[in-house]
Amino acid sequence: EDQVTQSPEALRLQEGESSSLNCSYTVSGLRGLFWYRQDPGKGPEFLFTLYSAGEEKEKERLKATLTKKESFLHITAPKPEDSATYLCAVQLSGGSYIPTFGRGTSLIVHP
Amino acid sequence: GAVVSQHPSWVICKSGTSVKIECRSLDFQATTMFWYRQFPKQSLMLMATSNEGSKATYEQGVEKDKFLINHASLTLSTLTVTSAHPEDSSFYICSASPQGETQYFGPGTRLLVL
Repeated sequence: EDQVTQSPEALRLQEGESSSLNCSYTVSGLRGLFWYRQDPGKGPEFLFTLYSAGEEKEKERLKATLTKKESFLHITAPKPEDSATYLCAVQLSGGSYIPTFGRGTSLIVHP
Repeated sequence: GAVVSQHPSWVICKSGTSVKIECRSLDFQATTMFWYRQFPKQSLMLMATSNEGSKATYEQGVEKDKFLINHASLTLSTLTVTSAHPEDSSFYICSASPQGETQYFGPGTRLLVL
């Protein structure tokens, strides 16, 4: 069964303490992998789309990378405003384009 | 670009009444829109896929007669919660995709049924 697993479930960092969030997937054929940020009480905000292994994308303190089995969201020198839940979603190739979402990683950055 | 709006942002209603939520793609056309439900501290649960000009496709376990979906145009989809009950209280989020790939989400609608 296709699955998307995010780890850790929760992560607490001090401001400036860099770290990575993981999204591993067991799908047969990847069309795209998506990262979103969700603040409490709001809809997810799109961050990145990755399509092939080796691809990297950056936005401010965030960098997303993709391998054949997993994706990492690296957060460099995080600030308290980076606190949010980060969601990963996987879209399969050759079929429905409905993505499968992971459960998310709740990130708290302490000042 | 790729902005999706939802209205209302929150609604309180009495048990037994119906509530309509609108989802609009403001700067692109969306052949397909999606409706999700999210419980506190849980991930998104897909309810249905809405296709312009055709019937929505509901996920297993979602009552299509309770959650009526209409996709009237390439920029508007509506979700009507019929005869709402307290257990329907939740956070409802729509999303739209310009080209069938990346989904862009609305801000969500919080529904409280008393």
